[in-house]
Amino acid sequence: DGGITQSPKYLFRKEGQNVTLSCEQNLNHDAMYWYRQDPGQGLRLIYYSQIVNDFQKGDIAEGYSVSREKKESFPLTVTSAQKNPTAFYLCASSILPGNGYTFGSGTRLTVV
Amino acid sequence: GQQLNQSPQSMFIQEGEDVSMNCTSSSIFNTWLWYKQDPGEGPVLLIALYKAGELTSNGRLTAQFGITRKDSFLNISASIPSDVGIYFCAGPGQGAQKLVFGQGTRLTINP
Repeated sequence: DGGITQSPKYLFRKEGQNVTLSCEQNLNHDAMYWYRQDPGQGLRLIYYSQIVNDFQKGDIAEGYSVSREKKESFPLTVTSAQKNPTAFYLCASSILPGNGYTFGSGTRLTVV
Repeated sequence: GQQLNQSPQSMFIQEGEDVSMNCTSSSIFNTWLWYKQDPGEGPVLLIALYKAGELTSNGRLTAQFGITRKDSFLNISASIPSDVGIYFCAGPGQGAQKLVFGQGTRLTINP
């Protein structure tokens, strides 16, 4: 079955450490996206990529980095420069930019 | 930039009641999407609307694409406990590079 997989579901890190969140899709979608969601809040766009080897900053890119070396994969690194990294992170993909998204099940990152 | 305003922000209802929520924009959208997010999970697409005036159902859910193309409505009939979650509206942003999301309507159901 095709889908989008985020791993791990829960992640704990010490303050000051970089951490990379995985996002893999086998839907053959060109576009991929990373969102951050804080408790009781909506979705805020971190980075997005419309095609391999290309990506753009979203609304809250500071303290984050991404790569898009393969169509199937769009990992997100939360760096030590991100002041409040504890949040729920959602990855999504779409067949074309701006089309309906398929979301992963999310990764809850807790920094202590 | 484009914004989608959802209302209400939260709803507390009794099981069995009908639910109505809406989404408005100051600019025209050519597509309206409604997603539901279960607690601790990613949002799932419920209904997609592509034509002004369109009325589409998915089980107990009904959504409408407003005739002005600046709003959309989602109704849930005879609510059940599994309807609990956050409902998001969305539409293609300018340049159609990404979706714009509303802030969400959080639905809580008392059994």
